[in-house]
Parts: sequence; structure tokens; C-alpha cells
Amino acid sequence: QVQLQESGPGLVKPSQTLSLTCNVSGASVSSTTYYWSWIRQPPGKGLEWIGYIYYTGDTYYTPSLKSRVTMSLDTSKNQFSLKLTSVTAADTATYFCVSERRTQPRRAFAFWGQGALVTVSS
Amino acid sequence: DIVMTQSPDSLAVSLGERATINCKSSHTVMYSSNNKNYLAWYQQKPGQPPRLLIYWASTRESGVPDRFSGSGSDTDFTLTISSLQAEDVAIYYCQQYNGNPRTFGQGTRVEIK
Repeated sequence: QVQLQESGPGLVKPSQTLSLTCNVSGASVSSTTYYWSWIRQPPGKGLEWIGYIYYTGDTYYTPSLKSRVTMSLDTSKNQFSLKLTSVTAADTATYFCVSERRTQPRRAFAFWGQGALVTVSS
Repeated sequence: DIVMTQSPDSLAVSLGERATINCKSSHTVMYSSNNKNYLAWYQQKPGQPPRLLIYWASTRESGVPDRFSGSGSDTDFTLTISSLQAEDVAIYYCQQYNGNPRTFGQGTRVEIK
């Protein structure tokens, strides 16, 4: 059972950088088994996949956010992180860290963190 | 991008009755190497993260009640709740994981009539 927990500031000023960390237990971020994803959900709206990183450090970012997103792994702490630059009010959302199996059985997004609400406001 | 479109946006069903949610993808989500449909269904209740119900279009995740079932292939999929319970009130999302970017449907809200 993979467990994930997001942490980071709940309030970010416009034009600044949103930074979140996901602490992983029950699996290693160095494992070949998983993609490590970030998904966000604006208040009252649907789910938007931001991208993933996996054990090699390779990433894929959704095109609409690609110019502003950076994901990284910290294998010593068994964590992965998200940075989103130049934020606006439209980036206000609950951010979830999520695991997805790369190997069979590929069960999609089976494990989710509880989510971290990040509000962009001055 | 593969666009996922759910219908209806919301539905109200009497307790014990069947609820059916449809999901259509703009391109096939079948992986040609193994003929599996990389389509998942999630349930989200207020204040909670989504919960995986179904993967591979029809495989129930461990612990999910058997009143939930998924069907379909290629571009057309259905989630059925055979006998709606009060605890099934939630928003349901379909999602494809056959390609990048991963994409979700807009969600279907299920309520009690």
C-alpha cells in the first residue's frame, strides 16, 4: 500500500512560485514500478493532470502548463516535488500527489494523497 | 490530447435503482500490445481525494463493492451502479491512461431522487 502526503505553503502571491512536496511511504520513489504524478482540482471543478516524474528523473508535463512546471525527485528523503512558476488566481486549487503503476497490472491512479489547498492571492 | 466526455453531467436515481454513466473518448484508449483498454473510473466525495473504482475499463479495484461495474471498449465506456446506495452519492470521473497527457472526463454528479 503506497501512502502519499502533500506539504507546502497554503498561500502564494501572484507571480510567485508554488512549491509542493509529496512524502512517499510504502514504496520507493527510486522504484521502476511507479510514475509519480501531480493532479490539481480548482474549487468546485474537475481534475487536471499536471504531469509525472519517474525513477530516472524523466518527466512528462501537460502541454498547457509545460512552460511553468518543474518536477523533481529526492531519493534520500523518498519524496517528489512540484514547482509552478508565475502563478495567478487560476492556479488556485487542491493539489494531489498520486502514484500510477508503470508495470503490470497498470491500475491507473490507485493511490492519492489527501490533497493540499493552495490559494493564490496577494 | 484524448478528450474524455461524460454523460450525463448529473443524474438523480432512487435508492436501489440502477445508475448508468457514459464516457466517450476522442481516440481509442486500447493498448494494441495487449488489447486492454486503459480506462479508469473514480468516485469522489466532498473533501476527499478521488477513489479508484475500476481500471482496464472493467476490472474492479480491491475492496470496491460488486454493485459497481464497468464495461465498454475502444472509445465508448459505461460505469453502472446496479443498486444505488446512499453512500454512492458522489461525483464520478472517467480517465484515460493510454497516452499522454492523461485526461479526465468532466465528471458526473450522482444524487438520490
